[in-house]
Amino acid sequence: QVQLRESGPGLVKPSQTLSLSCSVSGDSITSGNYFWTWIRQAPGKGLEWIGFIFHSGTAYYNPSLRSRLNISLDTSKNRFSLSLTSVTAADTSVYFCARTYAVTTRIDVWGQGALVTVSS
Amino acid sequence: NFMLTQPHSVSESPGKTVTISCTRSSGDVASNYVQWYQQRPGNSPTTVIYEDNQRPSGVPDRFSGSIDRSSNSASLTISGLKTEDEADYYCQSYDNNDQVFGGGTKLTVL
Repeated sequence: QVQLRESGPGLVKPSQTLSLSCSVSGDSITSGNYFWTWIRQAPGKGLEWIGFIFHSGTAYYNPSLRSRLNISLDTSKNRFSLSLTSVTAADTSVYFCARTYAVTTRIDVWGQGALVTVSS
Repeated sequence: NFMLTQPHSVSESPGKTVTISCTRSSGDVASNYVQWYQQRPGNSPTTVIYEDNQRPSGVPDRFSGSIDRSSNSASLTISGLKTEDEADYYCQSYDNNDQVFGGGTKLTVL
């Protein structure tokens, strides 16, 4: 059974960098069939795709976040990470990591989500 | 890129049938698969329809999906509504290395 779990600070100050990791169990992030994905959901709002990364390390980002965003793989720990710079209150969200099947782009596994609040 | 537009909310009575639409703003809706996710408050989303019209195991056959090229839209239909179906529903598709979600539809079963 594949499981994903987000981890990282729950509170980040404005203008600082938001960093989250997603630990994967039951699958290898080096397998070629999936995109390893970040999605967020602001309080009371809908889902927003942040970006994903392929096993090769190639990443694709939401154009609205691209200038502040980096997604990376850590194959030694079987996890992938998100870094979002220069955060503001608008970045306050529940951040989900997920596994996306590359052929059809179906998201078939979700993490439980991690609330990150941007506040001084 | 493109957008997926859903109604903000729909409501219907138990036992009835409801259809939620998802209209693609540009490009052919049939060019990339559409998925539908259900999200109950406080929970992560789960898939109810994938690849336009496929149901994951465990999802009742009351849930069905379709696409309509004439309106460039996808639809999620839930028949025999139950109170447990009350949730937010999101469509999702993909194009040009961008994954796109619809804005979500709140389904109320009253």
